[in-house]
Amino acid sequence: GAVVSQHPSWVICKSGTSVKIECRSLDFQATTMFWYRQFPKQSLMLMATSNEGSKATYEQGVEKDKFLINHASLTLSTLTVTSAHPEDSSFYICSASFGDGTEAFFGQGTRLTVV
Amino acid sequence: GESVGLHLPTLSVQEGDNSIINCAYSNSASDYFIWYKQESGKGPQFIIDIRSNMDKRQGQRVTVLLNKTVKHLSLQIAATQPGDSAVYFCAEGLSGTYKYIFGTGTRLKVLA
Repeated sequence: GAVVSQHPSWVICKSGTSVKIECRSLDFQATTMFWYRQFPKQSLMLMATSNEGSKATYEQGVEKDKFLINHASLTLSTLTVTSAHPEDSSFYICSASFGDGTEAFFGQGTRLTVV
Repeated sequence: GESVGLHLPTLSVQEGDNSIINCAYSNSASDYFIWYKQESGKGPQFIIDIRSNMDKRQGQRVTVLLNKTVKHLSLQIAATQPGDSAVYFCAEGLSGTYKYIFGTGTRLKVLA
């Protein structure tokens, strides 16, 4: 159990366009979902935390107007990278938790390449 | 700010040997710790966790040790196999806060 699915697994887009990444909890209702960014050979950096039905909480240095997060239901959160630029190219990973939030289940990640 | 760090960026071990991956954390308030395994191009996979009221926890072929005195966490993998080759991250957090800080990662290479 506790499967988190991300879609798409990879995407290539042109500079200036927007890209939406979906994160779904398939067999549980996620109290909270998290979005991370990971550059090659680096660790995961938390971008934002989202709770269903409320505004996301962004980490310091993360532009909320650049990375739009919508958590419309207990099983779906989306991350939209707006006006993407090559420096936004990265591996984006979501995770979801339920209950007391001590264990988070990760999606398989989305490789974004902006050309 | 608070951070989690790792001592060894790369660890090479012979197949069948035991592996020990270390992690230092700096937030003394953290009460929950997790080890994740990440294979190339994939998301992190949960390995084992431990709460601050414990100093050792065992899973299948893995053991996590927590030393709160020196703020040190380690992951021991017994009889390391080629499939164990991956990057391993430790993460610390406060139970109920839903937020984890990840360490820099250690790449484990298993030599045949």
